[in-house]
Amino acid sequence: EVQLVESGGGLVKPGGSLRLSCTASGFTFSTYNINWVRQAPGKGLEWVSSISGSSTYIYYADSVKGRFTISRDNAKNSLYLQMNSLRAEDTAVYYCARVGSGRNFDYWGQGTLVTVSS
Amino acid sequence: EIVMTQSPATLSVSPGERATLSCRASQSVSSNLAWYQQKPGQAPRLLIYDASTRATGAPARFSGSGSGTEFTLTISSLQSEDFAVYYCQQYINWPLAFGPGTKVDIK
Repeated sequence: EVQLVESGGGLVKPGGSLRLSCTASGFTFSTYNINWVRQAPGKGLEWVSSISGSSTYIYYADSVKGRFTISRDNAKNSLYLQMNSLRAEDTAVYYCARVGSGRNFDYWGQGTLVTVSS
Repeated sequence: EIVMTQSPATLSVSPGERATLSCRASQSVSSNLAWYQQKPGQAPRLLIYDASTRATGAPARFSGSGSGTEFTLTISSLQSEDFAVYYCQQYINWPLAFGPGTKVDIK
């Protein structure tokens, strides 16, 4: 069974940093592109970042470019999101999502909540 | 950057009725479009990809159509478990983009 489990969320002050993790199981992690997608409270879905299986290709939304860094450790079946210079508008549930055919998302984790507030 | 829009924002439907949701892209995405269902407190679930292919486990009452800039998700006969928010997503170009969602609620 495919599973994605996020962790690392919490309360952080504006300007602070946080590192999210996503641990995968039930599939060959290194052969799949994985993404971060976020959802602010009561709002819609926003794509954040994408990383290919071998980490060769990395993409970011303009809203996080220069502040967030996506990475992965295929030996640990883990995906990471290092978030620096956090802002109130980064408050959201952060999901990791596996890419299926094309660049749609066939499996999602349960999400981890990041709250940026003083 | 491709901008996705969805209509209506809210659709009130009685159980057993047909529901038709629309999604529009600001420029052609060919058939690189997916639909997701999200229930309160849950992660989104993939329903349709490549505009019209049902994802594994998606019930047959869900169907997708369209190409280019205009797309439709049809739920042939609403079941109680179908009341949720539905999002479309384009994946032809970076940045990937979701529509704002259509909430399907009980009439």
